[in-house]
Amino acid sequence: DTEVTQTPKHLVMGMTNKKSLKCEQHMGHRAMYWYKQKAKKPPELMFVYSYEKLSINESVPSRFSPECPNSSLLNLHLHALQPEDSALYLCASSQGRVGTEAFFGQGTRLTVV
Amino acid sequence: QQPVQSPQAVILREGEDAVINCSSSKALYSVHWYRQKHGEAPVFLMILLKGGEQKGHDKISASFNEKKQQSSLYLTASQLSYSGTYFCGTVLTGGGNKLTFGTGTQLKVEL
Repeated sequence: DTEVTQTPKHLVMGMTNKKSLKCEQHMGHRAMYWYKQKAKKPPELMFVYSYEKLSINESVPSRFSPECPNSSLLNLHLHALQPEDSALYLCASSQGRVGTEAFFGQGTRLTVV
Repeated sequence: QQPVQSPQAVILREGEDAVINCSSSKALYSVHWYRQKHGEAPVFLMILLKGGEQKGHDKISASFNEKKQQSSLYLTASQLSYSGTYFCGTVLTGGGNKLTFGTGTQLKVEL
């Protein structure tokens, strides 16, 4: 089983709203990732959690707040987003050892109005 | 430090072969290859670790030249299902779990 589940699949939110994206995996992976992907562009790394600790933050604006409640769950809390934040948000997980394959969820299509 | 891929786009007739290249300016620990179809998530194809190995399954294979910090993906006897955007992802030596995606190559296979 190489499944990473993301919810919701689609989200429309206003600029003053607070919402959260959820990611779950049951593969025993210890590294989890958030990527942002704009149309016709490669995924851009936002955050990496290794063994439930934030290990990489790619200078992401504070309106994006990640959380890793346990080894299976990863959340991305959203607050006061801008229309340019509209994108596909992808979650991925890997075993945690450097250089192991990462598997992606289907993504959340976010639209900020 | 984003890896650069070439070509940017390629159109093939079914049955033709293609090579996609990925080049980094920094020392690589591993190279990962993904295919993404429109509106879908990237799908993992294969991973190559430093050591200059070559991997493959079915008609898709890849090589990793550690000295040149380059990797190539080989698609042979292409099928319609091979269409999509191919990304290499790289992890730098000493870079932890930071997986950075390359610029992408759009591949279209036609009848």
